[in-house]
Amino acid sequence: DTEVTQTPKHLVMGMTNKKSLKCEQHMGHRAMYWYKQKAKKPPELMFVYSYEKLSINESVPSRFSPECPNSSLLNLHLHALQPEDSALYLCASSQEWGYRGKGYTFGSGTRLTVV
Amino acid sequence: GQQLNQSPQSMFIQEGEDVSMNCTSSSIFNTWLWYKQDPGEGPVLLIALYKAGELTSNGRLTAQFGITRKDSFLNISASIPSDVGIYFCAGQSYNNNDMRFGAGTRLTVKP
Repeated sequence: DTEVTQTPKHLVMGMTNKKSLKCEQHMGHRAMYWYKQKAKKPPELMFVYSYEKLSINESVPSRFSPECPNSSLLNLHLHALQPEDSALYLCASSQEWGYRGKGYTFGSGTRLTVV
Repeated sequence: GQQLNQSPQSMFIQEGEDVSMNCTSSSIFNTWLWYKQDPGEGPVLLIALYKAGELTSNGRLTAQFGITRKDSFLNISASIPSDVGIYFCAGQSYNNNDMRFGAGTRLTVKP
């Protein structure tokens, strides 16, 4: 299995809703990442988990709450989002954080629309 | 933070033409990577480079890690319609484990 699987593929939520994005990989990778990508822009790093511990939080607002239940799963809990949070949310994994390996493997993303 | 300058921003070419794009940085990277992203999908790794001066090919794609470790280029030869997409360079340094992306080059190939 050489994939990163993200669900759901599309999500529309109201500003008062609570929802979660899920990411799963079975490649034995010990680092997992959340990126946010706006239209016509490169992905921007949000969070890094290394060995299931939060290693980087790029000053992301608290309405985004990451969770790493185990080495294969990464969640992003969403609450009280704003319309400007609408974007493609990408999950990625790598053998280890900073490892000189084969780069990151990305999922297909969740297209989030906040109404 | 480390800035990556990627150019050109977009390219419109005829099928069969060769394409070249590049990335420069104000600081040194230990790893350069090139990704392609199709609409509605995540980036897919095309080529990874680990050593200054390294030249690596993947089919019609060739990429080089600059001698100064502050730049990299990607060439695509004999372009075909499925080459359409956005190409991102990315750099990683040992001082900062994060991988940072360039702004992307949007490639359009006319049949």
